[in-house]
Amino acid sequence: DADVTQTPRNRITKTGKRIMLECSQTKGHDRMYWYRQDPGLGLRLIYYSFDVKDINKGEISDGYSVSRQAQAKFSLSLESAIPNQTALYFCATSDRDSRGAFFGQGTRLTVV
Amino acid sequence: AQKVTQAQTEISVVEKEDVTLDCVYETRDTTYYLFWYKQPPSGELVFLIRRNSFDEQNEISGRYSWNFQKSTSSFNFTITASQVVDSAVYFCALRRRDDKIIFGKGTRLHILP
Repeated sequence: DADVTQTPRNRITKTGKRIMLECSQTKGHDRMYWYRQDPGLGLRLIYYSFDVKDINKGEISDGYSVSRQAQAKFSLSLESAIPNQTALYFCATSDRDSRGAFFGQGTRLTVV
Repeated sequence: AQKVTQAQTEISVVEKEDVTLDCVYETRDTTYYLFWYKQPPSGELVFLIRRNSFDEQNEISGRYSWNFQKSTSSFNFTITASQVVDSAVYFCALRRRDDKIIFGKGTRLHILP
């Protein structure tokens, strides 16, 4: 089983709909991140969390919200999806001593 | 500003050639980490290497090598004797003292048979 699991892997949704992307990890890491990837723009940080009571905005948090339900779970919500939120979304985990960030396999979201 | 710049958007080389991917970073922190990730066509992000700010020793892993130079704020990645399987997008990333991780825009590498 993957250490960092994202669900769903693919999703098509309509403009205006609320959608939640979920991330769970079995690595025991305290730090969790949400990124979106767009062609030519690399990975941009949406939100990050250092524990269940510590949520921080990243570069592009507008239009998104997050919930850290437990140390192992970090969900990303689009309250009212719009087409320019069509992208590949990655969840990542880390701790202070780990070798880098460990990524889930990504969720490809299409907003039509 | 704290950022990572990968000036090469796309590179194409013929198989067996050597290729270097450039990464320049900016940070005010004295303690930080630098990383390289590979994203093959299948889309997952594969961790390649981590380097902390106090370790300027170059590293070699098979055909891969990394050159970290604090004086020029660069962390360049070289693939020797490239192979078609090296075709991917490569990302350089900076982990700041506050554990925020920021990425460059990536370099798409094409290895031509």
